[in-house]
Amino acid sequence: DAGVIQSPRHEVTEMGQEVTLRCKPISGHNSLFWYRQTMMRGLELLIYFNNNVPIDDSGMPEDRFSAKMPNASFSTLKIQPSEPRDSAVYFCASRLSGSIDTQYFGPGTRLTVL
Amino acid sequence: SQELEQSPQSLIVQEGKNLTINCTSSKTLYGLYWYKQKYGEGLIFLMMLQKGGEEKSHEKITAKLDEKKQQSSLHITASQPSHAGIYLCGAGGLLRQLTFGSGTQLTVLP
Repeated sequence: DAGVIQSPRHEVTEMGQEVTLRCKPISGHNSLFWYRQTMMRGLELLIYFNNNVPIDDSGMPEDRFSAKMPNASFSTLKIQPSEPRDSAVYFCASRLSGSIDTQYFGPGTRLTVL
Repeated sequence: SQELEQSPQSLIVQEGKNLTINCTSSKTLYGLYWYKQKYGEGLIFLMMLQKGGEEKSHEKITAKLDEKKQQSSLHITASQPSHAGIYLCGAGGLLRQLTFGSGTQLTVLP
């Protein structure tokens, strides 16, 4: 079984550019999470979808960040315009919602904004 | 909001030694997850604890959740270089999202 797939694995861009990160959750999972990891702040939840519907986006830092989940097998996290402080590793995780269920993480996208 | 404190922040041990990592929550834990992360990679699920007093083991790694469900420990017996990495504890929230501790960086010297 393929795990959570993220693309690209690495992204280097210049300040002001639009960045789109992509995630394919594990087939059959109905919850999807976007996290950001930095040395300063650790691992932070940005947004959480259940059955393609955003449930909690309180972790989204600013209006520059937006996330979509048009169907059960695809999600995007977009940053527009990007800033150097957005540099981080962005993880996507998925879970089969039920009782307390385990989240499975993708390999992450390392974003560098120059 | 729930906060998780991990200790120690970093740990360097000689191969073969035992070690323990602790995770303390500011609130009652309804689900406590342990993950391992290697540099540049995603998080690998290790174990999940839910019941007070619960203990689970996988190979040489044992995790426990105390009776009051506010603290968990991860114990590695006879550590190996393959155990090196960052260990993170995560607590399940009401909306099933996870709040993570800051992580413990483990180095195992051969």
